[in-house]
Amino acid sequence: GAVVSQHPSRVICKSGTSVKIECRSLDFQATTMFWYRQFPKQSLMLMATSNEGSKATYEQGVEKDKFLINHASLTLSTLTVTSAHPEDSSFYICSARGTSYNEQFFGPGTRLTVL
Amino acid sequence: GEDVEQSLFLSVREGDSSVINCTYTDSSSTYLYWYKQEPGAGLQLLTYIFSNMDMKQDQRLTVLLNKKDKHLSLRIADTQTGDSAIYFCAETHGYALNFGKGTSLLVTP
Repeated sequence: GAVVSQHPSRVICKSGTSVKIECRSLDFQATTMFWYRQFPKQSLMLMATSNEGSKATYEQGVEKDKFLINHASLTLSTLTVTSAHPEDSSFYICSARGTSYNEQFFGPGTRLTVL
Repeated sequence: GEDVEQSLFLSVREGDSSVINCTYTDSSSTYLYWYKQEPGAGLQLLTYIFSNMDMKQDQRLTVLLNKKDKHLSLRIADTQTGDSAIYFCAETHGYALNFGKGTSLLVTP
């Protein structure tokens, strides 16, 4: 099956720094990738939809200047958490849409801890 | 907006069947999904059902869909300890997915 990777798997940073998370589709091209956020014992909440070559579409309540998304190629999307604060600590999961409408493949997630 | 609803916790004995229920919100959802998440890991797609079906069976997994009531269920036959995880149902939300809060399944020996 299709594989989606994320890097890093864990990151700890100081408050005020920026953190970049990469999401790659390893064996297929993904014109659309999605970024989700999951708090402990909570569901996944969609943050934004990332389209290759165009601006990301953010969900209501998600600050686009804080969560910068770049989808520069058909296999890579990045999420940069700018000026991170402790409340940004969460589990960030990306997914990539395959060639069929019903296919969506998830990465293993990135655990961000902001001190 | 409305939430996709799931019971939060289910405990079964090894070898029994597990049934996890979900009520979704969007009657126009084309596909409905079940994902499994183990601790500290990402999501693994277990199965999905097309909205014009009312049942789908895949080895130990049986999905039932009641469109009238917007009710989805996942039955796991002969549940094993390795099935202990959190199970999420999800409906389509544009091209993305709208998830329930997850049902934590505990399988005891």
